[in-house]
Amino acid sequence: QQQVKQSPQSLIVQKGGISIINCAYENTAFDYFPWYQQFPGKGPALLIAIRPDVSEKKEGRFTISFNKSAKQFSLHIMDSQPGDSATYFCAAFRGGFQKLVFGTGTRLLVSP
Amino acid sequence: DAGITQSPRHKVTETGTPVTLRCHQTENHRYMYWYRQDPGHGLRLIHYSYGVKDTDKGEVSDGYSVSRSKTEDFLLTLESATSSQTSVYFCATQDRANTEAFFGQGTRLTVV
Repeated sequence: QQQVKQSPQSLIVQKGGISIINCAYENTAFDYFPWYQQFPGKGPALLIAIRPDVSEKKEGRFTISFNKSAKQFSLHIMDSQPGDSATYFCAAFRGGFQKLVFGTGTRLLVSP
Repeated sequence: DAGITQSPRHKVTETGTPVTLRCHQTENHRYMYWYRQDPGHGLRLIHYSYGVKDTDKGEVSDGYSVSRSKTEDFLLTLESATSSQTSVYFCATQDRANTEAFFGQGTRLTVV
């Protein structure tokens, strides 16, 4: 069973537009929520992360919005660029059990 | 890049043969993970380790075993490879809970 559900599976956005990827989880024991970016042929790399005591975190053009009561979090990419074209994974970490689990991924294509 | 080396990078093997994948890190990170990446499934946790000789099962552990006799090495063994284990395998390491996980470059395994 997928512990973290991610949508959409794929996304096409025009250059300069906003890309939004959503994730939902069930287990309230998760206490760390990172987003990873993966380019073809490479391993995933950390993009941005948030803890559940914060509702929003922004780093440059990337923002995580976190809704603890709804058990949802999302990644917003402002002013999307062709170089942002990659696969994005949300993840959740369960401290104490040391398990880092991932969503199914979203393939983002930013058209020029 | 964090000092994570996966070997081999590519392997083709026959059904029924044993296969061992190696993950070597130079970061002295405590936590190590093995994931498999398949289209439509994202990254699925196979096994993880929270210290030398301390390992536990992930979401898709059937058919896989692991060993960690030294901090720097985490081995994944397919006891008897099957075609369903054709995948890209990623190793990841993490220094402390709720911190960035670093990924290797991946191993593409094909079972024929």
